[in-house]
Amino acid sequence: GQQLNQSPQSMFIQEGEDVSMNCTSSSIFNTWLWYKQDPGEGPVLLIALYKAGELTSNGRLTAQFGITRKDSFLNISASIPSDVGIYFCAGQFPYAYSGAGSYQLTFGKGTKLSVIP
Amino acid sequence: GAGVSQSPSNKVTEKGKDVELRCDPISGHTALYWYRQSLGQGLEFLIYFQGNSAPDKSGLPSDRFSAERTGGSVSTLTIQRTQQEDSAVYLCASSLEGRGPLGGELFFGEGSRLTVL
Repeated sequence: GQQLNQSPQSMFIQEGEDVSMNCTSSSIFNTWLWYKQDPGEGPVLLIALYKAGELTSNGRLTAQFGITRKDSFLNISASIPSDVGIYFCAGQFPYAYSGAGSYQLTFGKGTKLSVIP
Repeated sequence: GAGVSQSPSNKVTEKGKDVELRCDPISGHTALYWYRQSLGQGLEFLIYFQGNSAPDKSGLPSDRFSAERTGGSVSTLTIQRTQQEDSAVYLCASSLEGRGPLGGELFFGEGSRLTVL
């Protein structure tokens, strides 16, 4: 099946540092999304990207949709303790891969972020 | 409610028993998804419902897994003859539509944690 490679798997950073994580795919996507999951919660959408080359910010978060449509990165600037959690990238393919014509997201395995105060 | 609601939040069962997990999506969302999250893993797609269309069951791992969505709203995921490898968090998500730009903006519930002893 289709796979997303997300890296790094985990990060330990000092409060105030910037963070960068990325995802790559062997296939093109027409949508890239970044989610954050707090412990015991479901993932929450942070940023959605819909066009190749698109660069979008949401507060201290910045994400880009790679020009090849096969990759995306997420940057967090000036990290704070509440940034702790698991960050997932997710992609949506432009074509249905099943007879039902679904458009389900494929998720990366996540980047676990720990922030040291 | 305002968000996706799932129940039970935690379920412990014995191997071989059947379990039912319930999801109540956001009102007005036509698309509903079930994902499975095993410890330290990303989100594994299970099944997708979109309006009155036939569901996409391509992600169901075995015939012990089934799901239905009654009246286009509440969904139930059923696992028959549970096995220990079924232990995971089962996440439900809904979106306004299954495809197009808004289709990827999934809103997740908090999940149902299943433990099979």
